[in-house]
Amino acid sequence: DAKTTQPPSMDCAEGRAANLPCNHSTISGNEYVYWYRQIHSQGPQYIIHGLKNNETNEMASLIITEDRKSSTLILPHATLRDTAVYYCIVRGSYIPTFGRGTSLIVHP
Amino acid sequence: KAGVTQTPRYLIKTRGQQVTLSCSPISGHRSVSWYQQTPGQGLQFLFEYFSETQRNKGNFPGRFSGRQFSNSRSEMNVSTLELGDSALYLCASSGEHGMGETQYFGPGTRLLVL
Repeated sequence: DAKTTQPPSMDCAEGRAANLPCNHSTISGNEYVYWYRQIHSQGPQYIIHGLKNNETNEMASLIITEDRKSSTLILPHATLRDTAVYYCIVRGSYIPTFGRGTSLIVHP
Repeated sequence: KAGVTQTPRYLIKTRGQQVTLSCSPISGHRSVSWYQQTPGQGLQFLFEYFSETQRNKGNFPGRFSGRQFSNSRSEMNVSTLELGDSALYLCASSGEHGMGETQYFGPGTRLLVL
């Protein structure tokens, strides 16, 4: 599976948009980009995934660049409850590889 | 729909013992994957079961094993426990086996080996 690179930490003001970047420059054409988040000691929560097109659901938006080498997860109006570790993973050969993720802190 | 459930939620064992963890997938899901999460190594894939067959395996020693039953419930077993096996063990289920299938995680079983 392609490896991903994410900044170790970010912070965001409550009510503002949180934009979390992810680099996956070795992604293959049939590999999906998935985003999960994990709040301390709980199981990871699925957020969104995409292959080529941008995606949006009730939680977030996923923007994938045209060359698919990077993506951005957007939380449009971050709340304190969005404080978590966010993982970007690329799934290809059925063995998903989780990196260290980005620790997002949303402050008042 | 009920989510993925894992039992027990917490467990304390001593070195040399063995442990069995259980996972019930979301109703209708047929694929179950297991992960180990530790502060040092992060989230690591253990194995995936689909239709009672192991489909993929991560880089873990043979002390880690699993199985899946006909109702898709899964168990994983760790024999001859070591201190380093202390971790959060996570189970994830998906409808089918495939890279486009979204995995949904359970709350995890926290294992402490003394």
